[in-house]
Amino acid sequence: AQKITQTQPGMFVQEKEAVTLDCTYDTSDPSYGLFWYKQPSSGEMIFLIYQGSYDQQNATEGRYSLNFQKARKSANLVISASQLGDSAMYFCASISSGGYQKVTFGIGTKLQVIP
Amino acid sequence: DGGITQSPKYLFRKEGQNVTLSCEQNLNHDAMYWYRQDPGQGLRLIYYSQIVNDFQKGDIAEGYSVSREKKESFPLTVTSAQKNPTAFYLCASSIGLAGSYSRGNEQFFGPGTRLTVL
Repeated sequence: AQKITQTQPGMFVQEKEAVTLDCTYDTSDPSYGLFWYKQPSSGEMIFLIYQGSYDQQNATEGRYSLNFQKARKSANLVISASQLGDSAMYFCASISSGGYQKVTFGIGTKLQVIP
Repeated sequence: DGGITQSPKYLFRKEGQNVTLSCEQNLNHDAMYWYRQDPGQGLRLIYYSQIVNDFQKGDIAEGYSVSREKKESFPLTVTSAQKNPTAFYLCASSIGLAGSYSRGNEQFFGPGTRLTVL
């Protein structure tokens, strides 16, 4: 079974500053993937970034980067140069390699960007 | 444009009634999913389907039913047996089992349906 833990219910960041959203995971699968999704107030989930367990380098997608520390089982999301439009809920999720692709989500972190 | 559509956006139901939430995708994805989201919570899996005419229960399937008669469509019925159906429902799809945990097989989500029981 997989478990995702996001311990920050809410975060504030000044516009143009960087912010790190924490995520730890627990899985017994030897191969797995980790995702981050953004959910604005409109409700839809927007894919941000993916990290595979065997990827040698940390994933980056534009202003988003994933700080992957496999030994610590952490997959923190770093948003650089925050923008007002980054204000949203952020969910960390994991996917297992076995059977079907079950995705397990954390409870999310609410990020508010302050002008 | 390719994507996932859900309808209606808002749905009101009286107690004891069954309601069906629509989910359609034109991404040619094999796998489709239904999630439920309660306020301040993450997503919980209700049902998923990897291919047409096949679907499996997720973590909270009681009181729900689905069908997968077409690749593009995966409707969810909330039955009267669901004791607390008021929630936000999200449908998602992904390419499928091929490369099941690789980049490019992320789930794409629809805009959601907010169901309220009166």
